[in-house]
Parts: sequence; C-alpha cells; structure tokens
Amino acid sequence: DGGITQSPKYLFRKEGQNVTLSCEQNLNHDAMYWYRQDPGQGLRLIYYSQIVNDFQKGDIAEGYSVSREKKESFPLTVTSAQKNPTAFYLCATKMGTSGGYEQYFGPGTRLTVT
Amino acid sequence: AQRVTQPEKLLSVFKGAPVELKCNYSYSGSPELFWYVQYSRQRLQLLLRHISRESIKGFTADLNKGETSFHLKKPFAQEEDSAMYYCALSGTGFQKLVFGTGTRLLVSP
Repeated sequence: DGGITQSPKYLFRKEGQNVTLSCEQNLNHDAMYWYRQDPGQGLRLIYYSQIVNDFQKGDIAEGYSVSREKKESFPLTVTSAQKNPTAFYLCATKMGTSGGYEQYFGPGTRLTVT
Repeated sequence: AQRVTQPEKLLSVFKGAPVELKCNYSYSGSPELFWYVQYSRQRLQLLLRHISRESIKGFTADLNKGETSFHLKKPFAQEEDSAMYYCALSGTGFQKLVFGTGTRLLVSP
C-alpha cells in the first residue's frame, strides 16, 4: 500500500484558484492514472500516462492538466476552468501497458472547493 | 464504445445468504474483466480478474461472452464482505480501465 502516496489527504481551496494534487509511486510502474470518484458515478478517468513525458486525455479531461516529468510522479492540476471540482481524486499505477495488468490505487485526496 | 453497467446501487442481504452482484459490459473486442472492492477507509483494490479464474474470499465470477456479463457471486455472505464493489473492463491493446458505477453490498447480521 505504501507504494503509492497521494498528498494531502484533504484539500480545501477557494473558487477560482488552481490546485495541484500530488501522486508519487515507488513501484517502478510504467503507467499512471488519475480518476475522479463521485457518488453514484463510479470512477471516471481524467488523464493517464504510459511513459515519461507522454500522457493522454481520459473521459473527463476538461479543466484538468497533468505532467509526467519523472516515472515516479504524476501530478494533477485542477484549474479554475473545472466547473465542479469538489470530488475524491484517486491516482493509480499499472506495471505494464497492456490491458490485463492490475491497477494499484493510492489512498486518494478529497478536494473541496468553496 | 466500451461500457460497464452495474444495475444495482445497493444490495442488502443477511449473513449467510447468497450474493450476486451483476455486471454487464459492452465491448466489441476481446474483453478483460475485473472486480475491484473498496472496504470502508481502505484503498480500492483488486478482488479478482477473469483471466486468473481464481476464487478470492469465497467470491467467484465467470465471464459469459454470450450474455456479455461478469457477475460476482458468493454462496454465503459474511458481514466483512460489506463494501463497495466495482466491475471494470479492459481489453487487448486497450490501455484504460472502464469502471461501472459500483454496487454497495451491505451484509447484516
């Protein structure tokens, strides 16, 4: 479980401010993912990255941005353009790039924007 | 487009009763199906995947390509099975996981 860390656990921001959520892994996994978890909607993919310096949009990328400068790190920025940013954000990693590999999840960050 | 449907938001059973959490999928390629579980105050974790065909904590799931289903079953539910369960779909050459909306299982004593 300690292989994926997300910080902070709770984050509070004022509307109109950008905020960056941290995701770090020491599993040496190639792929990293960001999901948003809302009640009744399951997990929705925001962005994912298969290799360093490359990433792809998921299903709900609008209002979010990411970077992958290091294999271990995949920070997510929630911008002021995101209409409904209050949510629980989950980071995940996967060892390989094919679909059959298990994804491992971090503990999550709960973001509240007021 | 890939899609996973979990029709039940909440499934409430008594301890010792059989449990079946339904999952249907839509995917034109060769699917890879997973069940993930999230216990209270714990991380989301893999419960089982169809390619391994194993039983974890008494749960099993069979991929039925004809009915495009991957229902999760357990013959005798335990209180510690209470959790949120997500069915997820991937596929050959498909880099993402598509999740269903989840089913909350509540097992009462």
